[in-house]
Amino acid sequence: EPEVTQTPSHQVTQMGQEVILRCVPISNHLYFYWYRQILGQKVEFLVSFYNNEISEKSEIFDDQFSVERPDGSNFTLKIRSTKLEDSAMYFCASSLRTSGGKGNEQFFGPGTRLTVL
Amino acid sequence: QKEVEQDPGPLSVPEGAIVSLNCTYSNSAFQYFMWYRQYSRKGPELLMYTYSSGNKEDGRFTAQVDKSSKYISLFIRDSQPSDSATYLCAMKGSQGGSEKLVFGKGTKLTVNP
Repeated sequence: EPEVTQTPSHQVTQMGQEVILRCVPISNHLYFYWYRQILGQKVEFLVSFYNNEISEKSEIFDDQFSVERPDGSNFTLKIRSTKLEDSAMYFCASSLRTSGGKGNEQFFGPGTRLTVL
Repeated sequence: QKEVEQDPGPLSVPEGAIVSLNCTYSNSAFQYFMWYRQYSRKGPELLMYTYSSGNKEDGRFTAQVDKSSKYISLFIRDSQPSDSATYLCAMKGSQGGSEKLVFGKGTKLTVNP
C-alpha cells in the first residue's frame, strides 16, 4: 500500500542552524501539507502546497519557514534559523483531492522529531 | 471557545468493551470529519472519514456526525489490546475551501487484556 515517507526520523540541531526536513508524498497525490505537534499538544497545520505554490499557511508559518518541491517526488520543509520552540514532531501529509470531492483524505507520514538545543 | 474540543482521557477499558470517543466543535463551516489513530511517537493513521451528518461503519468502527449539535463520535466494538493508542478527531471546511485540518487534542485509550 502506498505511503508517505519522511527523513530523517530524528534531527538534532543547534539553535540558529538551518534544517531541512524531507518527505516523499504518495506518488499520484497532488496536495501536500506540513503539520507539527509539540509534545503533549495538538497537531497543528503549518502549510499546504499545490501546483508548486503555497495554497494556505498558518500564523506559525512565518518567514523562517519555507517549502519546496525540488523534483517530482520530494517535498521539503526548511527552517532557516531554528529556535528552541521549534522542537516538535513534524508531519508531512498528502491528498489526491479530485474535483468531485473524492480523495480529500490526508495521509500522514511517520514524522520527523526535531530537537533544537 | 476552542475550535475543536476532545476529552484527553486517559480512558482505560477491558478487552471486548465498547468504546465511545467524542469531540465537539464550534465552527459550523466544518463539513468533513475524520478520526485518526496515533501510536506513541508515530504519525496519525486515518481510520474514518465522513462528510456532513450521518453514520459510517467500517468493521468494528462506527463514526457518527451530528452537525446540529456540533458533535462527532467514534465507537469501537469488541475492543482489542491492539486498539490501545491516542485517537484524534479532525475536521475541515467545504470542498474548494480551506484544506487545513483542525485537530482535537486526542484521547488516550488503553484496552486491557
